[in-house]
Amino acid sequence: DAGITQSPRHKVTETGTPVTLRCHQTENHRYMYWYRQDPGHGLRLIHYSYGVKDTDKGEVSDGYSVSRSKTEDFLLTLESATSSQTSVYFCAISGPAGALAGELFFGEGSRLTVL
Amino acid sequence: AQRVTQPEKLLSVFKGAPVELKCNYSYSGSPELFWYVQYSRQRLQLLLRHISRESIKGFTADLNKGETSFHLKKPFAQEEDSAMYYCALNHGSSNTGKLIFGQGTTLQVKP
Repeated sequence: DAGITQSPRHKVTETGTPVTLRCHQTENHRYMYWYRQDPGHGLRLIHYSYGVKDTDKGEVSDGYSVSRSKTEDFLLTLESATSSQTSVYFCAISGPAGALAGELFFGEGSRLTVL
Repeated sequence: AQRVTQPEKLLSVFKGAPVELKCNYSYSGSPELFWYVQYSRQRLQLLLRHISRESIKGFTADLNKGETSFHLKKPFAQEEDSAMYYCALNHGSSNTGKLIFGQGTTLQVKP
């Protein structure tokens, strides 16, 4: 497995509280992504990063913010969690430079429940 | 609009039977398509990509631009093929992994 770890792996929180999920990689890859996985929707891109301090929105970015202050860490923050953000969140990284695009390496996922 | 559709939420077959997991896409450019698989208690991982035209674990997928399809096929299913399968489309630049995923199909191979 690629060196990607997510924390926490499980979290239960209440509506209105802030939540931060952390993705840490040891591969020194440039691109990092946050996806959410929901039944009937598959995986949807929330935000991605193409370098330190360089981030951009995905298709479901409302209610989420991200930060990347170091190559190895990509943080996903829910400023005020809502029940619609109950989901499994996956971090992913792209392959090294020169690798074929589209090959993502995924973390194990973080299951978030918002009550 | 760019879209990936997997019409079957669940596909159940017996061991040794042929398998076809359907994937249709909508994309205005030249598509880059992939199949990802998630086995129980394992990470989501790349199974195959259309550009490589390879066979992985006995699975193949052919891009049909006329029908805008990228169906995944295997002639003889094995129990270890039971998993969640996602079809995905790369709609970013050639350097990114901005993928659009389908809804996923659970393949259940019965003994």
